[in-house]
Amino acid sequence: NAGVMQNPRHLVRRRGQEARLRCSPMKGHSHVYWYRQLPEEGLKFMVYLQKENIIDESGMPKERFSAEFPKEGPSILRIQQVVRGDSAAYFCASSLQGLNQPQHFGDGTRLSIL
Amino acid sequence: QKEVEQNSGPLSVPEGAIASLNCTYSDRGSQSFFWYRQYSGKSPELIMSIYSNGDKEDGRFTAQLNKASQYVSLLIRDSQPSDSATYLCAVNKDSNYQLIWGAGTKLIIKP
Repeated sequence: NAGVMQNPRHLVRRRGQEARLRCSPMKGHSHVYWYRQLPEEGLKFMVYLQKENIIDESGMPKERFSAEFPKEGPSILRIQQVVRGDSAAYFCASSLQGLNQPQHFGDGTRLSIL
Repeated sequence: QKEVEQNSGPLSVPEGAIASLNCTYSDRGSQSFFWYRQYSGKSPELIMSIYSNGDKEDGRFTAQLNKASQYVSLLIRDSQPSDSATYLCAVNKDSNYQLIWGAGTKLIIKP
């Protein structure tokens, strides 16, 4: 499968635990974007990364959230000390280049906080 | 004013008719425009991209771009019940990688 791969598809955490969401971009893509979507709402941009660099994290909450895209391996979105309000669908997208390129989405991770 | 605006709908269209979805944007320097389809509980799926004024056709879909008026539209001919979904408009910011997303229009095709 050459598409954007996200795992896990569903993740359940208790309040205070950590959540790690993984994203492998499409083959050949080096630009990764993370979005959050609440039910019946639009996509909310969180962060844009290239290999080993965070380009724009203007949509990320200042605390508890972090993202990385190491030289080897998938991009990781990490949420520490999760709270109920973190429950959402988290989508990863990738593009071949940054500017003027369409983004291709993975199937998302549905995060539920108990 | 939102940067990318779409009517939230729902837009109800009879099967076989043409569905017309509209999107306006505020950044005059925007260069790239995309339409995505999102089924309930699924991820957004790219339908069309358009970069220059005029029409671009792909099967039953036609994207129309008018930069002077700052709108982009999507026409779906011969609408099918399977076209029922939320359609998202995305526009890039001037000289910027970032896509700005509309909130989406919910389309319902009635059999």
